[in-house]
Amino acid sequence: NAGVTQTPKFQVLKTGQSMTLQCAQDMNHEYMSWYRQDPGMGLRLIHYSVGAGITDQGEVPNGYNVSRSTTEDFPLRLLSAAPSQTSVYFCASSKQGAGNQPQHFGDGTRLSIL
Amino acid sequence: AQTVTQSQPEMSVQEAETVTLSCTYDTSESDYYLFWYKQPPSRQMILVIRQEAYKQQNATENRFSVNFQKAAKSFSLKISDSQLGDAAMYFCAYRSARGGSNYKLTFGKGTLLTVNP
Repeated sequence: NAGVTQTPKFQVLKTGQSMTLQCAQDMNHEYMSWYRQDPGMGLRLIHYSVGAGITDQGEVPNGYNVSRSTTEDFPLRLLSAAPSQTSVYFCASSKQGAGNQPQHFGDGTRLSIL
Repeated sequence: AQTVTQSQPEMSVQEAETVTLSCTYDTSESDYYLFWYKQPPSRQMILVIRQEAYKQQNATENRFSVNFQKAAKSFSLKISDSQLGDAAMYFCAYRSARGGSNYKLTFGKGTLLTVNP
């Protein structure tokens, strides 16, 4: 059971380049989300999805796109990378139902935009 | 919107001693969940402990316990018999119990805990 898998673990981009961060989970979780972690800021929600075909914006959605075509996958796209998007990105998933169920996090992607 | 405040950016403790990390939150809801996550240098996010707001009893997990004061909107984490492996960034997080988007976590900014041998 792999849990939540994020790829790549590290990436360096140039300003203006595009890229997709991959996230996959094998726990049949309905809820998936993307956070970014910046020093002194904690984790902030970018986008989330409550099921295939359903996505919504979080706290800091600008510059990012998501789609959810399957239950397992929830990719995060940067259309035109900017230095302000340098961050560590976490994908998380959880089962719908009891809200006390913890979110399962991937190991994160460290992204640097030059 | 809910907010979570961790007023201690950094804390330190001697090995085998006890330390308490503070967390306060702001919400108008009566039903919600609170969590403490640990992030060691490996960057993994590890659930330490959770508390349901409707439960009066404070949650405990081995050496970790919480002091949940609902009226004061306070949710502190106590680590007893601190170990070197407890050194990490600790995040307090809030989750609404309402339907729809209630799976979102709102995080505090974190407290970096150092354990001195």
